[in-house]
Amino acid sequence: DTAVSQTPKYLVTQMGNDKSIKCEQNLGHDTMYWYKQDSKKFLKIMFSYNNKELIINETVPNRFSPKSPDKAHLNLHINSLELGDSAVYFCASSRSGRPNSPLHFGNGTRLTVT
Amino acid sequence: DQQVKQNSPSLSVQEGRISILNCDYTNSMFDYFLWYKKYPAEGPTFLISISSIKDKNEDGRFTVFLNKSAKHLSLHIVPSQPGDSAVYFCAASSLNAGNNRKLIWGLGTSLAVNP
Repeated sequence: DTAVSQTPKYLVTQMGNDKSIKCEQNLGHDTMYWYKQDSKKFLKIMFSYNNKELIINETVPNRFSPKSPDKAHLNLHINSLELGDSAVYFCASSRSGRPNSPLHFGNGTRLTVT
Repeated sequence: DQQVKQNSPSLSVQEGRISILNCDYTNSMFDYFLWYKKYPAEGPTFLISISSIKDKNEDGRFTVFLNKSAKHLSLHIVPSQPGDSAVYFCAASSLNAGNNRKLIWGLGTSLAVNP
């Protein structure tokens, strides 16, 4: 009964490859996010989708493309992977319209690019 | 330019004592503040929040204090327990130009509660 699940948990790949990370939430939330936690442990938002519509798109390379097929899913596709993409990527969800609605996070996907 | 700063990367406390984690912010437009706890290999989990119209919010062993004039908030855990050992993130929220909420995160403080 995991609330926010993301797969895979670990992803090791070579530079130049294309990879995807999947995220699903069963909380009935209408907003989903992708966060990146880099080697300095800095947690930074990448994208936010509300009802399948992109509402936040931070300064992220075009190689990163989120896809939201429905409110419960937000997948992250990364083209032409680079060494600097190595990080932990967290998916999260929340209910919009309430300022104190907390984020519910998945357990992260540790991406290592070699 | 970090808008939310947690200046202590780590903190060590004896079991049963009080843990005080601090957070400073620079943006006066922040109107909600949240604390999250993170265990290794897991995502952050929500702990407690406070609105900018309040100066204190308490939930069991956890209390958050907000000093708006100093742009400072703190999380008090009392009594501290070994299971509280985790990384604690402070986050601040405001409405952006598109009327969407955005969370800005601190770098976290690693708390170790020693038995």
